[in-house]
Amino acid sequence: QQPVQSPQAVILREGEDAVINCSSSKALYSVHWYRQKHGEAPVFLMILLKGGEQKGHDKISASFNEKKQQSSLYLTASQLSYSGTYFCGTEEGKTGNTGKLIFGQGTTLQVKP
Amino acid sequence: GAGVSQSPSNKVTEKGKDVELRCDPISGHTALYWYRQSLGQGLEFLIYFQGNSAPDKSGLPSDRFSAERTGGSVSTLTIQRTQQEDSAVYLCASSSYFGGYTFGSGTRLTVV
Repeated sequence: QQPVQSPQAVILREGEDAVINCSSSKALYSVHWYRQKHGEAPVFLMILLKGGEQKGHDKISASFNEKKQQSSLYLTASQLSYSGTYFCGTEEGKTGNTGKLIFGQGTTLQVKP
Repeated sequence: GAGVSQSPSNKVTEKGKDVELRCDPISGHTALYWYRQSLGQGLEFLIYFQGNSAPDKSGLPSDRFSAERTGGSVSTLTIQRTQQEDSAVYLCASSSYFGGYTFGSGTRLTVV
């Protein structure tokens, strides 16, 4: 079941913050976040495992609420380099023994000077 | 190698021909995945190999698609009797157990 991302697109000025949400109708074991720039392959940002884990990567952090089957990606003080399409990938199940991800449809982020 | 290598990077083929796409994963990564990305779209799961286990083929769109992984390393995705709707970027990724995916640069397939 494909997770649903919101918003579909967002435009920011440098220095502004953004939140991207990922929601699933299935029980999740883990959530991954990736960023893809135009014409390039997706690049791994972070993985969040079942247990309400929260992680950070520079000024990008994320949370995972397994009870609500939701994850959010937080981009703080955005930089031009943050522009791209962000995908969440969800691993379904309770035991996390597959590693197989189903990706959302993506959120396009554009940061302007 | 340092990254996931895919070949060819571009492939133009005539409708009805067969094509083979190759993926060389990161050495030591036990899991290998194939995804398809149509223009401006998300990532569509195709198939997943994990170690010596039977592959998860649940995402293959038709019996024209098949994949194998030899010696737990290199994988080949084969599309038989290609159709125009098969045109897309085919992405391969590998990961260690519980790790994030490292994607290759993809093969852009165009069926004319």
